[in-house]
Amino acid sequence: SYVLTQPPSVSVAPGQTARITCEGDNLKNQVAHWYLQRPGQAPVVVVYDNVDRLSATPDRVSGSKSGNTATLTIGGVEAGDEGDYYCQVWDNVSDQWVFGGGTKLTVL
Amino acid sequence: VQVVESGGGVVQPGRSLKVSCEVSGLTFKNYAMNWVRQAPGKGLEWVAVISYDGSSEYYADSVKGRFSVSRDNSRDTVYLQMNSLRVDDTALYYCASGSKMVRGVPIYWGPGTLVNVS
Repeated sequence: SYVLTQPPSVSVAPGQTARITCEGDNLKNQVAHWYLQRPGQAPVVVVYDNVDRLSATPDRVSGSKSGNTATLTIGGVEAGDEGDYYCQVWDNVSDQWVFGGGTKLTVL
Repeated sequence: VQVVESGGGVVQPGRSLKVSCEVSGLTFKNYAMNWVRQAPGKGLEWVAVISYDGSSEYYADSVKGRFSVSRDNSRDTVYLQMNSLRVDDTALYYCASGSKMVRGVPIYWGPGTLVNVS
């Protein structure tokens, strides 16, 4: 089955930039979405269709994709950005949604 | 938009359970509906999706043949019938939607309903 690989954890100091990657063998042909899940809460979409933000997503959060790697970039990191971030794609081969393993963002 | 799951509980291995999800604030019949689960302390795992009109269903390999998704557009409700439950099906089950297409990003999520197989 298709696999999306994310780093288990990323740590940054307040005000710095966090980058969370998502790798997949066929990601260059797929559309990536990103979720933030805070403890005890349901996931929330922060970026969809590789680069688009929902209205509630701050401008300092952005998505990009290069080849088989999608990246979520969070500039000027704040304590409120902490949580688990997941990437997600629709796999056309298996007709299934696939989530990455998740990345825990810690603000030092 | 409000998404509310219900029907979770404790069930013995090998038994069945049906959970429900009611949606309000959008035209339900125009939206594909997903089920996503999260085992305690683990990541998100997609379970199933049903098309807006119920004509197509897709499942994760881990539940194929055991779980079945259905919907009642007159009740704005989607269901997940879970048979032959296993201990590793224990999870918080989320219902999520956001697009007419099954491959459209689910942006509306409920708080989840907990299923404990033990």
